[in-house]
Amino acid sequence: EPEVTQTPSHQVTQMGQEVILRCVPISNHLYFYWYRQILGQKVEFLVSFYNNEISEKSEIFDDQFSVERPDGSNFTLKIRSTKLEDSAMYFCASEDTLATNEKLFFGSGTQLSVL
Amino acid sequence: QKEVEQNSGPLSVPEGAIASLNCTYSDRGSQSFFWYRQYSGKSPELIMSIYSNGDKEDGRFTAQLNKASQYVSLLIRDSQPSDSATYLCAVNQNSGYALNFGKGTSLLVTP
Repeated sequence: EPEVTQTPSHQVTQMGQEVILRCVPISNHLYFYWYRQILGQKVEFLVSFYNNEISEKSEIFDDQFSVERPDGSNFTLKIRSTKLEDSAMYFCASEDTLATNEKLFFGSGTQLSVL
Repeated sequence: QKEVEQNSGPLSVPEGAIASLNCTYSDRGSQSFFWYRQYSGKSPELIMSIYSNGDKEDGRFTAQLNKASQYVSLLIRDSQPSDSATYLCAVNQNSGYALNFGKGTSLLVTP
């Protein structure tokens, strides 16, 4: 079965440092998402990306965050200056065409720890 | 603020019993409703989707939707210990839109 691949699985960084989380969505998918889940809390939407631009973003996705699809396969989330409260599991997800969310696939996640 | 509410549990049921998980949502514009299962430290895994009022069955799982009451539920028949996980309710307006998740209900199926 096709899968969304995320790297690294764990990332430890110092407060104020930049991090880039990487995702390889499923090849024929057109919608890409980042969600995050702080330990013990709900899964929260960050941003969606379609046709090489952001289609929707949440209040969490402020100027410290950016997304990019640099080479047609990778989909990255950059946090410019990490804060302690950015510590969370970050999930990438992708979806094909304009199908229903029945085909929304989540990656296995990157656990980000900001010290 | 668009809210999705779930009882956090834990909900404990004996093996073989029916587990009933409930969810309410605040956004009347919601069109799509999903149940995800999440094991500790893992990503959400889609179990069921439902879009119309009524029941939808898939194997041991039945999703129920009542848009007038803004209520969606998941029944798990013949519960197994492997069903022990956190069950997340998620809603959105349409495909391509953000999913709004509840905090999840922890289910424990005891042998």
